[in-house]
Amino acid sequence: DQQVKQNSPSLSVQEGRISILNCDYTNSMFDYFLWYKKYPAEGPTFLISISSIKDKNEDGRFTVFLNKSAKHLSLHIVPSQPGDSAVYFCAASGLMADSWGKLQFGAGTQVVVTP
Amino acid sequence: GAVVSQHPSRVICKSGTSVKIECRSLDFQATTMFWYRQFPKQSLMLMATSNEGSKATYEQGVEKDKFLINHASLTLSTLTVTSAHPEDSSFYICSARDRLRDRRYEQYFGPGTRLTVT
Repeated sequence: DQQVKQNSPSLSVQEGRISILNCDYTNSMFDYFLWYKKYPAEGPTFLISISSIKDKNEDGRFTVFLNKSAKHLSLHIVPSQPGDSAVYFCAASGLMADSWGKLQFGAGTQVVVTP
Repeated sequence: GAVVSQHPSRVICKSGTSVKIECRSLDFQATTMFWYRQFPKQSLMLMATSNEGSKATYEQGVEKDKFLINHASLTLSTLTVTSAHPEDSSFYICSARDRLRDRRYEQYFGPGTRLTVT
């Protein structure tokens, strides 16, 4: 079963505007969440993360918001740049005994930033 | 730092043959390496977790005898796809966790290997 869900397969945004990517999860044992960026034929690169004890983490143009009660997180990119065009994966990690260190990935959202 | 390489980046093989993919941590020692598989427009699916010097732990539904994983050193893990079939065609990605940092959620990903079985 898919425990991390990204329901929007694609997002198109104009350069300079805000990109908002959403992610939902079902397992309340997840306590750490990460966003990865991936270009075609390359491995994912780490973007930003957030611990479940926080509700916001900011790093430059990237901000991640976590709503634990709703089991929802979002990634805001502002302002969006052409180089941000990529697939963005949401991932979660938990303290479950058989899952220590493992990441559960969402299906990804393809972001296209247009001029 | 924290660079992970994979070799080869692309491989085409005939049905029934075996293919070995290498994953190396270049500037750190990896206690744990993970192997993922990605189908087009889909998520990264964890196949197995590999700890140096011990047997790999496979996820449910992944055939151990088909996907042989060896983690002989702190910088190298290999995935061998045995008796490959066209349905094994996929993008295989490895990741590694740094032994010294060893934060459970930090994984450094390799660039991936595109396997095509004809």
